Amino acid sequence: NAGVTQTPKFRVLKTGQSMTLLCAQDMNHEYMYWYRQDPGMGLRLIHYSVGEGTTAKGEVPDGYNVSRLKKQNFLLGLESAAPSQTSVYFCASSPLAGGPHEQFFGPGTRLTVL
Amino acid sequence: GDSVTQMEGPVTLSEEAFLTINCTYTATGYPSLFWYVQYPGEGLQLLLKATKADDKGSNKGFEATYRKETTSFHLEKGSVQVSDSAVYFCALRGGPYTGGFKTIFGAGTRLFVKA
Repeated sequence: NAGVTQTPKFRVLKTGQSMTLLCAQDMNHEYMYWYRQDPGMGLRLIHYSVGEGTTAKGEVPDGYNVSRLKKQNFLLGLESAAPSQTSVYFCASSPLAGGPHEQFFGPGTRLTVL
Repeated sequence: GDSVTQMEGPVTLSEEAFLTINCTYTATGYPSLFWYVQYPGEGLQLLLKATKADDKGSNKGFEATYRKETTSFHLEKGSVQVSDSAVYFCALRGGPYTGGFKTIFGAGTRLFVKA
């Protein structure tokens, strides 16, 4: 049981390049989330999904797109990277609401945009 | 909307000192409350949680009590260790009828424990 995994762990991009971050979970969780973490800002929700085939915008969605074609995977895309997207990105998952379910986090992807 | 406010850090303590990290919240309804911990280079992991008023969550010597009258969920530990050095996040999750699939996080409090 690997929990939540993220690929890649580190990446350096030039301004304007594109990339996709992959998140996978093996806990059969319905909900999945993408956050970014910046110094002094805590965690900010980018996009989330409440089930396979569904996605929704979070707090800071601009410049990102997501897809959830399979229940276990949640992809985060940057179509044209900007230096302001330099951050650490965390994926998380949780079971259905209705209980005090915590979120399970991946180890993070550190992205630098030059 | 719902929000979480926690004390700014960093907090620097000597080993075996008493720790308090304050957390207050604003929420409609009856949220569940959490403390998460993030060790260097890792993702967040659940430390403890409480689901209703007056509940006490505890784990690894840490405790927090859900105080509805003061809308607080302060984290305490009687004797910290160097290995407790990390960033601590207070968080809340609403009930199923108030967007319960989202968690609201505080800004995080960095703790340094000196030997």
